Amino acid sequence: DAKTTQPNSMESNEEEPVHLPCNHSTISGTDYIHWYRQLPSQGPEYVIHGLTSNVNNRMASLAIAEDRKSSTLILHRATLRDAAVYYCAWLTDSWGKFQFGAGTQVVVTP
Amino acid sequence: DAGITQSPRYKITETGRQVTLMCHQTWSHSYMFWYRQDLGHGLRLIYYSAAADITDKGEVPDGYVVSRSKTENFPLTLESATRSQTSVYFCASTRLMTGANSPLHFGNGTRLTVT
Repeated sequence: DAKTTQPNSMESNEEEPVHLPCNHSTISGTDYIHWYRQLPSQGPEYVIHGLTSNVNNRMASLAIAEDRKSSTLILHRATLRDAAVYYCAWLTDSWGKFQFGAGTQVVVTP
Repeated sequence: DAGITQSPRYKITETGRQVTLMCHQTWSHSYMFWYRQDLGHGLRLIYYSAAADITDKGEVPDGYVVSRSKTENFPLTLESATRSQTSVYFCASTRLMTGANSPLHFGNGTRLTVT
């Protein structure tokens, strides 16, 4: 069965980096790894996605293991606004079913 | 404004009543999805649609009906609401599905309470 595992929570001080791991050992070789974050009372918001190589955008960086069985979302300088639940996700079939991890609650301390 | 909107934002209904949750997107995305989010279960796929008039079941479809006569709209109907359908419902859309090289865009959700 497809499975995605993430730690329940992580804590960081403001302005410090945060590394959020995700294991997705059954992902196929052609499916992209996605990351979303969810603020309270809002829908999930797209953060970043990638296939094999590392990816950067204005929100975060995504480091993908060479075997693609895991990835790490990197928030370079955490701010209080980054406090949210972060989900990794990937497509488990061609019909649109995304497998979401249970999410990691990020707590940022001033 | 471009985007994906859900209505209503909050809904309280009684057991046995029919209720429809609306979802509208302005991007002309082909794929649309309905998820429910419950504590302890994360995001679970109810139904999805690859295009107008093409829909299929997801992980937890029982008790729900969808239709998609127009690309931009994807309503979700609870034919006879039950307390177990109390949840937060999210609609999402995306442009492409091949390998998922396109992000999902979510609405802000509908919080449904069935009494």
